[in-house]
Amino acid sequence: EVQVVESGGGLVQPGGSLRLSCATSGFIFSSYWMSWVRQAPGKGLEWVANIKQDGSIKLYVDSVKGRFTISRDNAKNSLDLQMNSLRAEDTAVYYCARDFLERDTPPGYWGQGTLVTVSS
Amino acid sequence: QSVLTQPPSASGTPGQRVTISCSGNRFNIGSNTVNWYQQFPGTAPKLLIYTNNERPSGVPDRFSGSKSGTSASLAIGGLQSEDEADYYCATWDDSLHGWVFGGGTTLTVL
Repeated sequence: EVQVVESGGGLVQPGGSLRLSCATSGFIFSSYWMSWVRQAPGKGLEWVANIKQDGSIKLYVDSVKGRFTISRDNAKNSLDLQMNSLRAEDTAVYYCARDFLERDTPPGYWGQGTLVTVSS
Repeated sequence: QSVLTQPPSASGTPGQRVTISCSGNRFNIGSNTVNWYQQFPGTAPKLLIYTNNERPSGVPDRFSGSKSGTSASLAIGGLQSEDEADYYCATWDDSLHGWVFGGGTTLTVL
C-alpha cells in the first residue's frame, strides 16, 4: 500500500524558515516524480514544486522561486521542502504527493497534509 | 485567480447527471491531458480522472471525463448524496512549466 506522510508544519513568523518532510513507503520511491501542493485556508489547490526521479530537475511555481527548495533522498524514500523568507500568503496545508504512474500522469497519491501558519 | 476556470458551484438532484466545466488555453489544456480531483472537507484530494478520461481503480464508472480543444468536462451520472464535494481540474502548463489547477467547483446534491 502506498503511504505518504508529511511532517514539519507549524507556526512561524514572517521572514522565518521551516522545513517540511515527507516519508513514503509501499512503492519504489526512485521511480516517481514527487510534488508539493498547498491549499490556503478555504481556498483551492496550488502546485508548489516537483522533482524528477533522480533529482536532476526541480520546478517551482513563480511565487516561491528563490525562497523554497525541494529535495529528495532516494536512499531514505523521503522528500523535503525547505521554506525560507516565509510570508503570510504561504499559510496553507502542504501536501506531499507521488505521481500516479511512473510517467506522464499527475500527482495521484497524497498525504494527509501538514499545516504551515505564517503569522506574528 | 486560477489559471484554469471552473464554475464555483454546481448542483443536482439524486439520480441526475451533472457536468462541471474547466476552461484553459493552448499552453495548458490545449497541449496536455486533463485530470480531475475530488476533495471532501478536511481531507486530501483524491485523483478521480487522469489523462482526460481514465479512472483509477475503485472510481465508479459514473464519473467520466472529456476534453475538446482548450476545455474539459467532468460528468457525474446517477448523482448520489455522497458525491457532495469539491472538484478540481488540473493539467500541465507548458508556458508556466508546472501543474495548474482550476479554482474548484463545489457540488451540492439537493
